[in-house]
Amino acid sequence: AQSVTQPDIHITVSEGASLELRCNYSYGATPYLFWYVQSPGQGLQLLLKYFSGDTLVQGIKGFEAEFKRSQSSFNLRKPSVHWSDAAEYFCAVGADTGRRALTFGSGTRLQVQP
Amino acid sequence: GAVVSQHPSRVICKSGTSVKIECRSLDFQATTMFWYRQFPKKSLMLMATSNEGSKATYEQGVEKDKFLINHASLTLSTLTVTSAHPEDSSFYICALAGNTGELFFGEGSRLTVL
Repeated sequence: AQSVTQPDIHITVSEGASLELRCNYSYGATPYLFWYVQSPGQGLQLLLKYFSGDTLVQGIKGFEAEFKRSQSSFNLRKPSVHWSDAAEYFCAVGADTGRRALTFGSGTRLQVQP
Repeated sequence: GAVVSQHPSRVICKSGTSVKIECRSLDFQATTMFWYRQFPKKSLMLMATSNEGSKATYEQGVEKDKFLINHASLTLSTLTVTSAHPEDSSFYICALAGNTGELFFGEGSRLTVL
């Protein structure tokens, strides 16, 4: 069975500082990896996804993530955080590109200090 | 990406009543949709997979008689919480499966059962 671990429940960074949110996955085959963002009381918005190819993927809102197979990780990064980035971030893993449900990590709440 | 509209965004009901939540795909033929439940400060838990024109597939531990799912068209899936009780209070989110493995989420529906 696939699983996702997000070790950091809550992270606080200063506006303008860099950000890295950690994600580790467990899956027997090639994983399909995603990062989503959720604002309070809202649904989830896709930030980026990795299926194959270049292990560094670019997403929306200036986010990027790097797939490291040797570490079973897919960490999300942003060089300079904006106050509007404060939200809950979820890493997810899927089995393939078919129409299957994703398994989500427990989320990391990002707080941005002025 | 696909646009998914979920309604109502908030609903309060009395214990013992039933509540219907609608999930509409506005610009995509949603062959497969998923219903997730999210507890406060927790991750998303998959409740069921809904395929157009067929019975939903429920995850282990989810009562199919309590959470009725109907997916009669390519644009609409509904979740009915029957005989709701306070422990059913939660945030329910639908998602449709895109063509390349990602999910597109609705805005979510917060159910409060008094």
